[in-house]
Amino acid sequence: DVKVTQSSRYLVKRTGEKVFLECVQDMDHENMFWYRQDPGLGLRLIYFSYDVKMKEKGDIPEGYSVSREKKERFSLILESASTNQTSMYLCASSSIWSGGEQYFGPGTRLTVT
Amino acid sequence: AQSVTQLGSHVSVSEGALVLLRCNYSSSVPPYLFWYVQYPNQGLQLLLKYTTGATLVKGINGFEAEFKKSETSFHLTKPSAHMSDAAEYFCAVSDQTGNQFYFGTGTSLTVIP
Repeated sequence: DVKVTQSSRYLVKRTGEKVFLECVQDMDHENMFWYRQDPGLGLRLIYFSYDVKMKEKGDIPEGYSVSREKKERFSLILESASTNQTSMYLCASSSIWSGGEQYFGPGTRLTVT
Repeated sequence: AQSVTQLGSHVSVSEGALVLLRCNYSSSVPPYLFWYVQYPNQGLQLLLKYTTGATLVKGINGFEAEFKKSETSFHLTKPSAHMSDAAEYFCAVSDQTGNQFYFGTGTSLTVIP
């Protein structure tokens, strides 16, 4: 089975802190994605990556950056956390050979105080 | 660009009743279509997907969906609701590479005993 893991299930940070969210997949997938999920807004794409060192902005990239130095790992960085970044963050991966099906991690619930 | 519309952000059904969750998409080319389920404080899990071939797709937990190209719809059904079906359901559409992946805003299903 494909497994996507995220470094933390719950995280509490203070305003202004730099926050790293890590995601690792074990199926050699080319594509990786970061979403945030908020009530009533569904899933919104922050960034995605289709190859090592490649990244594309999604719908809401402001305030975030990403890093993909290895194929299996995709990191989301909040340079200076703000309270409006309190949210559930979901990582996903997919293969270009599997019809776009995305596999999700369990999510990280981030609270910024 | 593609888009996905889920009619009804909240749906309530009685235990044992038919579940019908609606999804319409806009796409200029035949897309790949997905339904995902999310239980509280968890990531998304694939219920079923349509890529090519038979338009009636069966998934896990007794769910099925029918791709109707003429109606640009992909509604999710289950003949008899169980209490365990209470969750958030997301419809999604993708191109064949998976690089263009769009989610609906979700439908929260409540099952009444």
